Amino acid sequence: SQQGEEDPQALSIQEGENATMNCSYKTSINNLQWYRQNSGRGLVHLILIRSNEREKHSGRLRVTLDTSKKSSSLLITASRAADTASYFCATGGYSGAGSYQLTFGKGTKLSVIP
Amino acid sequence: KAGVTQTPRYLIKTRGQQVTLSCSPISGHRSVSWYQQTPGQGLQFLFEYFSETQRNKGNFPGRFSGRQFSNSRSEMNVSTLELGDSALYLCASSLNPGSVRSNEQFFGPGTRLTVL
Repeated sequence: SQQGEEDPQALSIQEGENATMNCSYKTSINNLQWYRQNSGRGLVHLILIRSNEREKHSGRLRVTLDTSKKSSSLLITASRAADTASYFCATGGYSGAGSYQLTFGKGTKLSVIP
Repeated sequence: KAGVTQTPRYLIKTRGQQVTLSCSPISGHRSVSWYQQTPGQGLQFLFEYFSETQRNKGNFPGRFSGRQFSNSRSEMNVSTLELGDSALYLCASSLNPGSVRSNEQFFGPGTRLTVL
């Protein structure tokens, strides 16, 4: 079952604009991660934010986490055509056996128009 | 360092057959996880292996199985294939359990399985 739900499902913007994607989840988490996937290929890890962190930056990416609202957002500033991809949030948690498991949302499909 | 590799990249099988997919993790990574991605269900966790032991399994039927070897390479097997098993199968490796950094999972390019 899906833990995270991304919003919007699809987003189309002009190059140079900012793109914001939101993710909501249901249960408590250890951390939340964002991944990018280009056209049915493997996932690329973008950023991990721990449950005790509120904001994290990496280059043109900014991620916020609000555990009280069980939500996170990913902001991509000054978007480029190469940012066109699907973006997934994934919540991380441990099973009783110590295994770490990611539970993914359905993703936001971002199209950046040159 | 070489990334996660998966073989084969594409596979076409018919219903009732079985298939084995292979994953080689990043050197030094001991945890390997498998995920299934379909348009309808999205990305779903299959299982996770560490030190040749399956530590966790997702909600999939027993037709889906896997194993891990002493060099951390992993295989997953699907027996008696069904049309609904058509999917992109992704393997991910991570560093060392118990460390927050180990939670970052590095994904391979996936194996695209088509069942006819």
